[in-house]
Amino acid sequence: QVQLQESGPGLVKPSQTLSLTCTVSGVFISGGDYYWSWIRQAPGKGLEWIGYTYYSGSSFSSPSLSSRVALGVDTSKNQFSLRLSSVTAADTAVYYCAREAPDDSRYFNIDYWGRGILVTVSS
Amino acid sequence: DIQMTQSPSTLHASVGDSVTITCRASRSVSVWLAWYQQKPGNAPKQLIYKASNLHSGVPSRFSGSGSGTEFTLTISSLQPDDFATYYCQQYKDYPVTFGQGTKLEIK
Repeated sequence: QVQLQESGPGLVKPSQTLSLTCTVSGVFISGGDYYWSWIRQAPGKGLEWIGYTYYSGSSFSSPSLSSRVALGVDTSKNQFSLRLSSVTAADTAVYYCAREAPDDSRYFNIDYWGRGILVTVSS
Repeated sequence: DIQMTQSPSTLHASVGDSVTITCRASRSVSVWLAWYQQKPGNAPKQLIYKASNLHSGVPSRFSGSGSGTEFTLTISSLQPDDFATYYCQQYKDYPVTFGQGTKLEIK
């Protein structure tokens, strides 16, 4: 059974960098069959996709965040990561890691999610 | 980015009712649309992918239809466990985008 678990600090100061890790179990990231994604949800708001990374290290992020986002992968630990720089209060949200699975060679749907981690940006 | 618009924003229904939620895309997403259910404090769970395919383990009272720009999620014979917020999401183009959500409440 696929499971994803987010970890990292729950409190980050403004202008600093938010760093989160997602640990995957039940499937090997190195298998290359999936994309590994981050999505966030501000309190009381909807869902915002941040970006994905692949086992090879290639990645793609939302243009609205791409200047501040760095996505990484560590296949030896079966983990992937998110770094978001220059954070402000607007970045306060629950951050989810997730798996994107292909139902066609070109199109990937988000089929499993982690439980999420609340990150608050505050001094 | 493709904009996704759901209606209604809130829906009141009773146990046993059948309800339909609509999702419209600002341009065609073909059949590359998913539906998710989210309960307070929990992560979203996939219900439907590729517009009408049921995710493994999801009860058959959930069904999806549509293509292009208009899609529906129907829940027949509502159960107490179904009262939650529902989101549609297109995955034809990156960045993938979500609807604003439909909150299903007990009447």
